[in-house]
Amino acid sequence: QVQLQESGPGLVKPSQTLSLTCTVSGDSISSGGYYWNWVRQPAGKGLEYIGRIYTSGSTNYSPSLESRVTISRDTSNNQFSLKLSSVTAADTAVYYCARQSIRFLEGYYYYYMDVWGKGTTVTVSS
Amino acid sequence: DIQMTQSPSSLSASIGDRVTITCRASQSISSYLNWYQLKPGKAPKLLIYAASSLQSGVPSRFSGSGSGTDFTLTISSLQPEDFATYYCQQSYSTLYSFGQGTKLEIK
Repeated sequence: QVQLQESGPGLVKPSQTLSLTCTVSGDSISSGGYYWNWVRQPAGKGLEYIGRIYTSGSTNYSPSLESRVTISRDTSNNQFSLKLSSVTAADTAVYYCARQSIRFLEGYYYYYMDVWGKGTTVTVSS
Repeated sequence: DIQMTQSPSSLSASIGDRVTITCRASQSISSYLNWYQLKPGKAPKLLIYAASSLQSGVPSRFSGSGSGTDFTLTISSLQPEDFATYYCQQSYSTLYSFGQGTKLEIK
């Protein structure tokens, strides 16, 4: 059974860099053709897509965050990470990591996030 | 960017009710539409992918339909564990986007 677990500081000061790690068990992040994603939910708001890293190591980021975000991976520890620089109070949120799977149906490939971590709360405050 | 709009934003219903949540995309996304259930403190749960395919292990009272720009999530007979917040998400473009969520509450 695949499981994802987010970890990292729960409190980050403004202007500093937020760093989170997602540890994956039951699957290898360097095989299988999956994407490994980060999503966040600010308090009282909806879900916001941050970005993803592929098994090859290639990445895609949300344009609204692209200048501040880096997603990387550590295959030896089966982890992938999120770094968000120059944080402000607006970056206070629950951060989730998720695995994205692919299915071929009726001639098309469909993408969906089928395994998620429980999320970790990050507060940006001095 | 593709904007996803859900309605209603909140909904009160009773056990056993049939409930429908709608999701509209700002442009055609074919069937690249997923539905998720969120509960506080728990991992989000995939319910429906490709607009109408039921994820393994999800009860059959959940169903999805639609294509193009208009989609629906239907719960045929509400159970106590279904009270949660539901989100649609498009995977048509590389930049994924979510609806604003629909909070389903007990009447």
